[in-house]
Amino acid sequence: GAGVSQSPSNKVTEKGKDVELRCDPISGHTALYWYRQSLGQGLEFLIYFQGNSAPDKSGLPSDRFSAERTGGSVSTLTIQRTQQEDSAVYLCASSLKLAKYGYTFGSGTRLTVV
Amino acid sequence: AQTVTQSQPEMSVQEAETVTLSCTYDTSESNYYLFWYKQPPSRQMILVIRQEAYKQQNATENRFSVNFQKAAKSFSLKISDSQLGDTAMYFCAFMREGAQKLVFGQGTRLTINP
Repeated sequence: GAGVSQSPSNKVTEKGKDVELRCDPISGHTALYWYRQSLGQGLEFLIYFQGNSAPDKSGLPSDRFSAERTGGSVSTLTIQRTQQEDSAVYLCASSLKLAKYGYTFGSGTRLTVV
Repeated sequence: AQTVTQSQPEMSVQEAETVTLSCTYDTSESNYYLFWYKQPPSRQMILVIRQEAYKQQNATENRFSVNFQKAAKSFSLKISDSQLGDTAMYFCAFMREGAQKLVFGQGTRLTINP
């Protein structure tokens, strides 16, 4: 696609429910990144994919968080048993070249846990 | 661990004025990359400018330029002839050589007034 696409744009869920956030990177971009943006913590790295592998998942805050990428394209971030502190904007980005040249970000999914 | 500090939570200037956003960082690395990203209300993070630490020359992109002071670990962004469309959150970010993830500052909310 022309840009990084994320869905849904906004999601409201009840505490304790599972949610799936989707990221569709720019076609041909081999690297994909997830970040979380919250009022208290700012922008935090969650996980990085190269192809379908995740060499760095050091930012996932707990085992309730997981992510996968299939076909070297679409990625899904899953949060199980959501908590109120999971409320944030989840941003996805992708890059064609090395990350040092900068990423292209999507518009994010705003997750609200009530 | 690297840290990035943006000391100005908010700034406001008149259209056509020049504005400078401050950023300092802390690292023991000798080579790294620095970025400024803009986040308008659409939430999409847009790369404004990047700087490679081993390059002495300050990066410039049209109305945007940086003042990179490696010894002082300072990386400020200058916006010349500011426009209403420059209104956004601006984030300074750091990436060490060979890494994939960005470390962001807390952001500066910039408002350009007509």
